[in-house]
Amino acid sequence: SSELTQDPVVSVALGQTVGITCQGDSLRRYSTNWYQQKPGQAPVLVIHGQNNRPSGIPDRFSGSTSGKTASLTITGAQTEDEADYYCNSRDSSGYHWVFGGGTKLTVL
Amino acid sequence: QLQLQESGPGLVKPSETLSLTCTVSGGSISSSTYYWGWIRQPPGKGLEWLGSVYYSGSTYYSPSLKSRVTISVDTSKNQFSLNLSSVTAADTAVYYCARRRADTVIDYWGQGTRVTVSS
Repeated sequence: SSELTQDPVVSVALGQTVGITCQGDSLRRYSTNWYQQKPGQAPVLVIHGQNNRPSGIPDRFSGSTSGKTASLTITGAQTEDEADYYCNSRDSSGYHWVFGGGTKLTVL
Repeated sequence: QLQLQESGPGLVKPSETLSLTCTVSGGSISSSTYYWGWIRQPPGKGLEWLGSVYYSGSTYYSPSLKSRVTISVDTSKNQFSLNLSSVTAADTAVYYCARRRADTVIDYWGQGTRVTVSS
């Protein structure tokens, strides 16, 4: 079982704003990264260190953390944002990588 | 541009050992800034970290798989490897190798290799 918990499915209307959350005790101490994965592809980093976007990631993607909950926000969701999203951090020991169970985002 | 490429058998028999190698090109595996790891994804399921290795050979394993996983590094070949013993059908997955920075960001992934466990 994952130490990071995500809602399995989230939907959003085209052009609207959506938040995807990730909960875990270790997030109080360690930063959260977010990955987007489309079918048949390797995951792609979209947000790291709470709210940093790698080059090439649209600015409609943002991140935040409050307590033990990290959030990925997409402001003005596009059809191409339909994908699975995974949060990632360290576990409570600090030595191990851990992923959330993933959230499937549907853009209606 | 850094590239990671997994290689190994696509079919493994139950009870045998799954062995994969990740070849790193475009950068050195000996950098002190990075960790190198294996992540898998069973069909239709989420990502699972198996373990990671530092260039010095220090290893870290998932508690749930620790008894079956061995990860090693060969700096002379710029490669690191995964051995997963006593496999069952539950080990059928796409296996990714990846690079993680010291700040926990996994910034490079291999394309993934599909491994099926079946007789």
